[in-house]
Amino acid sequence: QQQVKQSPQSLIVQKGGISIINCAYENTAFDYFPWYQQFPGKGPALLIAIRPDVSEKKEGRFTISFNKSAKQFSLHIMDSQPGDSATYFCAAGSGTYKYIFGTGTRLKVLA
Amino acid sequence: GAVVSQHPSRVICKSGTSVKIECRSLDFQATTMFWYRQFPKQSLMLMATSNEGSKATYEQGVEKDKFLINHASLTLSTLTVTSAHPEDSSFYICSARGLQGWYEQFFGPGTRLTVL
Repeated sequence: QQQVKQSPQSLIVQKGGISIINCAYENTAFDYFPWYQQFPGKGPALLIAIRPDVSEKKEGRFTISFNKSAKQFSLHIMDSQPGDSATYFCAAGSGTYKYIFGTGTRLKVLA
Repeated sequence: GAVVSQHPSRVICKSGTSVKIECRSLDFQATTMFWYRQFPKQSLMLMATSNEGSKATYEQGVEKDKFLINHASLTLSTLTVTSAHPEDSSFYICSARGLQGWYEQFFGPGTRLTVL
């Protein structure tokens, strides 16, 4: 009920390509879905987040797609760059409740 | 805005000693701070949630007496690892949630603890 399943575990994309990472949740009480980017030896940085009242949110090259009925959400990175190579975590939360994190996706963008 | 700092960034200590890690919200007041532990190539594991002025809430399996958390003000929380052992070596990360944004958590840069 509290799990957030994230896939794929790792992803290799050519420079300029689209990176897609998927997450699925079970608890319908979740109403906040952030994505974090983490570089080795650093803390996670908030990339973009979405509430379930919208199906898509775009910020620059990053887009979240949200499917409430399927309880799934995904991160799309357009025009992927080598500098995007990092680990990405999805999370789900509700109000002041703690986050439940996905297992992470290691993205490598080839130059 | 929304900057969280941690100190120290890296610490090496001998087995049996105690280590204190500070987490500060620099430009906002944090009603709630979270402490996470992260092993190499793994996700973040929530250890405890602390609210300013009250006792921390620990996750199942986390030893309260070993990982002491104090959230003394709206900008400072501390994690003390008592009687540290090599198995406590890990990357510890704090996050803070502000008064005005109930949802967003902003993470610190992390502290690498190595216990010899």
